[in-house]
Amino acid sequence: DAKTTQPPSMDCAEGRAANLPCNHSTISGNEYVYWYRQIHSQGPQYIIHGLKNNETNEMASLIITEDRKSSTLILPHATLRDTAVYYCIVRATYGNKLVFGAGTILRVKS
Amino acid sequence: GAVVSQHPSWVICKSGTSVKIECRSLDFQATTMFWYRQFPKQSLMLMATSNEGSKATYEQGVEKDKFLINHASLTLSTLTVTSAHPEDSSFYICSARLREGLTGELFFGEGSRLTVL
Repeated sequence: DAKTTQPPSMDCAEGRAANLPCNHSTISGNEYVYWYRQIHSQGPQYIIHGLKNNETNEMASLIITEDRKSSTLILPHATLRDTAVYYCIVRATYGNKLVFGAGTILRVKS
Repeated sequence: GAVVSQHPSWVICKSGTSVKIECRSLDFQATTMFWYRQFPKQSLMLMATSNEGSKATYEQGVEKDKFLINHASLTLSTLTVTSAHPEDSSFYICSARLREGLTGELFFGEGSRLTVL
């Protein structure tokens, strides 16, 4: 599975949009981009995933560049409860394990 | 989303004893489950892939005789830490893949914190 690069930490003001970048320059055609987050002392929580097109759900939006070498997770109105470690992972579908990198620590501040 | 439950959520044991952690998929069947370990302030490290009805596949460096994995049914996988020592103290997390689904999303349990005295 392709390796991803994320900034180690980011701060965001409460109520503002949080934009978390991820580089995955070696992604292959059959690999999806997944985002998970982990709040302290809990199991990771699925956020969103996508292949080529931008995706949106009730939690976030995922913007994938046309060349698929990078993506951005957008939390439109960050709250204090969104403070967590956010992991960007690329993997092919079915059967492939999720390999976690270091992730980005997002701190939402009031 | 799908629910994955782990039990116990925390356990304290004496050095040399064995501890079993259960991972259940509550509202779906999971042919594949994954076990992770996480030390403080570190990322999740994949330990093994558990397949229903067959032997688990361990990641490099993980002792299969130390960490016994059993996946006897489509809704239950167990991890047994045998002869636990203080260095085995960690946060153990399982995840399960939906048996059916377009993209094979993985859902995670709440984690089990093991402390070995």
